[in-house]
Amino acid sequence: AQSVTQPDIHITVSEGASLELRCNYSYGATPYLFWYVQSPGQGLQLLLKYFSGDTLVQGIKGFEAEFKRSQSSFNLRKPSVHWSDAAEYFCAVGLTNFGNEKLTFGTGTRLTIIP
Amino acid sequence: DGGITQSPKYLFRKEGQNVTLSCEQNLNHDAMYWYRQDPGQGLRLIYYSQIVNDFQKGDIAEGYSVSREKKESFPLTVTSAQKNPTAFYLCASSEVQETQYFGPGTRLLVL
Repeated sequence: AQSVTQPDIHITVSEGASLELRCNYSYGATPYLFWYVQSPGQGLQLLLKYFSGDTLVQGIKGFEAEFKRSQSSFNLRKPSVHWSDAAEYFCAVGLTNFGNEKLTFGTGTRLTIIP
Repeated sequence: DGGITQSPKYLFRKEGQNVTLSCEQNLNHDAMYWYRQDPGQGLRLIYYSQIVNDFQKGDIAEGYSVSREKKESFPLTVTSAQKNPTAFYLCASSEVQETQYFGPGTRLLVL
């Protein structure tokens, strides 16, 4: 069965600094990979996704992620964070055999922004 | 506006009571999903449906039931058999084998 690990439970970053959130997955084939963001008490918003092709994926709000097959990773990056980026971030993996019926989520990384 | 709506935003359940959470989408998506979110855990799949009148159990279906009588609606019932129902419940929809989009969620609390 596939699994997703987000090793950082909580990250604090200064406004304007760069950000990298880590995501590692375990799956035997090339997965579908996603990053979602959740503000407190809200639903999840899709930031970006990787299905195939270019391994560097651009998303909304200035985020990007890079798929590295050799490291089984799909880390999320942003060159300069804004206070509005404070939220919880979830990485997810889907089975390519069955599409997205079986999304598996990581436990999330909570991002705090300090002035 | 196209989107997914969930109601109510907050729901209170008494002991031994069944409660139903509503999920409606006007995106014309074939597939719909229910997830449960607990603090410090990722989302866990309860049930999903790829087509009207058909649905499958997810990883934590015990104590829950669903129906899919209409394409746009996928209500979730939390039965009295679910002994720990306090959680945040999220509904999602997608075209089959495409990206899932989420509703705003319902928080269920036990009185």
